This record gives sequence, C-alpha cells and structure tokens, in this order.
Amino acid sequence: AQSVTQLGSHVSVSEGALVLLRCNYSSSVPPYLFWYVQYPNQGLQLLLKYTSAATLVKGINGFEAEFKKSETSFHLTKPSAHMSDAAEYFCAVSGWDTGRRALTFGSGTRLQVQP
Amino acid sequence: KAGVTQTPRYLIKTRGQQVTLSCSPISGHRSVSWYQQTPGQGLQFLFEYFSETQRNKGNFPGRFSGRQFSNSRSEMNVSTLELGDSALYLCASSSGTSGSTDTQYFGPGTRLTVL
Repeated sequence: AQSVTQLGSHVSVSEGALVLLRCNYSSSVPPYLFWYVQYPNQGLQLLLKYTSAATLVKGINGFEAEFKKSETSFHLTKPSAHMSDAAEYFCAVSGWDTGRRALTFGSGTRLQVQP
Repeated sequence: KAGVTQTPRYLIKTRGQQVTLSCSPISGHRSVSWYQQTPGQGLQFLFEYFSETQRNKGNFPGRFSGRQFSNSRSEMNVSTLELGDSALYLCASSSGTSGSTDTQYFGPGTRLTVL
C-alpha cells in the first residue's frame, strides 16, 4: 500500500531563512506526489505536484520540491521564509497501488515563521 | 472560475442525529471526492463520485454515504452520529479523467461538531 511520512510535526524558522519540509513516500508503483498547504479554518491549496515529467518541480509562492527516487523523498523547500508562509503543509501520494484513485496524506507539518 | 463550495460551513449536531453536507465542484469537473480531517487520524479518504457513480471508497462504516447529481454536485450523509464523527469534512473536485495525476481542488470544508 502507498504511504507518506512527514518528518517533523512542527518546524520553526526565522523570517528570511530556508524552509525545508521533509516527505518520504512508499509505493510499489510509480507515485504521483503532491504538496498542499492549509491555512487556519480553510481547505487545502495545491502548492505543486510531481507527475514524472521533471524531478524538480516548481510551485506557487516560491516553493519547489525535488523527487529523488533513490531516497524515496519529495522534500519541499523555499529559499526565504515569509511570515505569510506560516501554515500546515501536507504531502500526499496518489496512484493505483491500492486499486483506487485517492490521495493518501501524510500527517502534516506545521510551519512557524518567527520575525 | 468559481472554486469548490461547501455548505454549510459549520454544523452542530447531537449524537444519534443524521447530517447532510453539500459540495458544488468547479464548473466542468465531474469527480467529487470527500475527505475527513481530524486531529487524531489526519486526512482520510471517504469516497469518490464520478458521473453519479461511486468510483472509489475508503475504509469508513456504512453510516457514511454519499451521492452525486447530474450537475456533479455531491452530498454526503452521516447517519446515527457519534462523538468521533466531529471533524472537518473536505470536498475536492477534479476533472476525473486524468487518472492518478488528476489535481484535486479542495473546498473550505464543513466543520461538524457532534455533542
């Protein structure tokens, strides 16, 4: 079965510092990977997705993620954190591994940005 | 294009009651998926509807059901509510035709509180 592990339920960075949110996946079939962001009292907004076209994926708001098959990772980065980046971030995998089309989410990482 | 809309945004019910939540997908999208989000279990897939048919189902009891109408709007119903059903219920729409790479666009959610 497919699964996603997000390392670190809470990450705190200073404004202007590098943001690195970690995601490792497990899948017996080629995975399709997504990063979503959730602001308080809101739904999920897509940041970026990997669909095998390119290993480095650029998303919205300056975020990007690199697919590394050898490490089964899809970490999310942003060179310089902004206060408005404070939110919860979810990594998700989609595929037919379980015979169904559905997103399997990680447990989320809450990002705090200190002034 | 208007986004995914969900009604109501907030709902308070008592144990044993039933509840119906509504979701209107993005215009032109034929697939609607439902997810439950709780602090303990995270984001979990409930079911997906495509062209008025349930196409995929998660591991939830039969008290959770849904349907989709010819205009792609979807409803989910929870009967005999339990305290553990308190959650944010998220609806996501997608074209439904791009396989596992389909991007799911989420609504703001319905916050259900069971007393």
